[in-house]
Amino acid sequence: KAGVTQTPRYLIKTRGQQVTLSCSPISGHRSVSWYQQTPGQGLQFLFEYFSETQRNKGNFPGRFSGRQFSNSRSEMNVSTLELGDSALYLCASSLGAGLSYEQYFGPGTRLTVT
Amino acid sequence: SQQGEEDPQALSIQEGENATMNCSYKTSINNLQWYRQNSGRGLVHLILIRSNEREKHSGRLRVTLDTSKKSSSLLITASRAADTASYFCAFMEYGNKLVFGAGTILRVKS
Repeated sequence: KAGVTQTPRYLIKTRGQQVTLSCSPISGHRSVSWYQQTPGQGLQFLFEYFSETQRNKGNFPGRFSGRQFSNSRSEMNVSTLELGDSALYLCASSLGAGLSYEQYFGPGTRLTVT
Repeated sequence: SQQGEEDPQALSIQEGENATMNCSYKTSINNLQWYRQNSGRGLVHLILIRSNEREKHSGRLRVTLDTSKKSSSLLITASRAADTASYFCAFMEYGNKLVFGAGTILRVKS
C-alpha cells in the first residue's frame, strides 16, 4: 500500500506570496491532519479534516487554511507568507477521525520564505 | 495550547545499552502515542498506549503510562545505531488537538 505523499517536497517563496501544499493520504484513510514543525516551536497541530469537514483546528492565524476533497486528498494554503512560516509542513492520514488513531506521516514539504 | 514536556532533551549511549525517555503532560488523555523521526524515514508511529493500560510492549520497545502522575516513559532495550533519531510523545488535548512533546534526541554510538 502506498504511503502518504506530499507535494512539492521543497518550496521557496517570498514574503507576501501565498502557497498551496498538497497531501494524498493512504488509500482508505479518510482523516488527514496537518502539522508545522520548526526548531523553535517543535511539532504543532494545524488542523484535521475528515470526510471533507474540518473537525479540529490548532492555534494558527486565519492565513492558514485547508480543505479536503471527496477522494480524501487535502490541500493546505498559507496566504500572505511571513518569514516565520518557514518550516517543515507534515501531513498525516489515519483510518478514523479524532486523532486518537495511529497517524501515518508523509515526508513533508520544506517551505522556505525569503 | 501546551506542549508536552520530554526529558532528557538529548541522550547519547553506546550500542547495546538501554535508552529511557520520559514524557509529561497536564491534561486528561484518552491515549498517548510515541513517534520516531529521522532523516531517512520521516515521522513514524511506534506505539499507542490507552489511558486504561499501564504498560505496552512492541519488540524492543516498552512504554509505560502513569495517569496519576501524568507521565509516560519509552524504554528502548539493546539499542542499535539505527535507533538514532528524535523521539516524540503525542497526546490528545482537550478540544481534540494532538499535542507533541518537544522530543528527545537519541544518539546511539557504535
